[in-house]
Amino acid sequence: GAVVSQHPSWVICKSGTSVKIECRSLDFQATTMFWYRQFPKQSLMLMATSNEGSKATYEQGVEKDKFLINHASLTLSTLTVTSAHPEDSSFYICSASTVGQGAYEQYFGPGTRLTVT
Amino acid sequence: QKEVEQDPGPLSVPEGAIVSLNCTYSNSAFQYFMWYRQYSRKGPELLMYTYSSGNKEDGRFTAQVDKSSKYISLFIRDSQPSDSATYLCAMNSPRNQGGKLIFGQGTELSVKP
Repeated sequence: GAVVSQHPSWVICKSGTSVKIECRSLDFQATTMFWYRQFPKQSLMLMATSNEGSKATYEQGVEKDKFLINHASLTLSTLTVTSAHPEDSSFYICSASTVGQGAYEQYFGPGTRLTVT
Repeated sequence: QKEVEQDPGPLSVPEGAIVSLNCTYSNSAFQYFMWYRQYSRKGPELLMYTYSSGNKEDGRFTAQVDKSSKYISLFIRDSQPSDSATYLCAMNSPRNQGGKLIFGQGTELSVKP
């Protein structure tokens, strides 16, 4: 149980275009989803926390107009990178947790590798 | 000073060795302590979690938390080449909104056959 999927697993886009990444909890309802980015040889950096039906909370330094997060249902959150630039190339990972579970129960997706050319 | 410090390694050991991975932290409010394993180009996988101080064992893995020293450890016994991965410690406090995790930098482990 507690499976989180991401789609696509790998995407290449041209500079200036937008790309959408989906995160789904497959066998549980996720009231909270988290979006991270990870550069090579570095740890996960939390970008934003999204709760179903409300606006996402962004971490300091993360541009909310550039990284649009939607959490419209209990099983789906999306991250849209708008007007992507090469410096946005990174590994994006989502995780999901649910109310009532222990604080440790955050399940991660397999990640999406974004390359902006 | 970072809230969670972890030696990035890389750490290389022979197969069968005992591996010790460690993290220190500064926030005394942390109550939940986790270890994740991440293979290259994959999402992190939860290995162990501990609430407050103490030890927890699961097969070849043992997690230890010493809250008085603000120090946590993960031991891997009889290490295998398949254990080669990056190990991330993570922690949070019950008061954290939404269960936000604070991660260490990750230690890259290589187990040589």
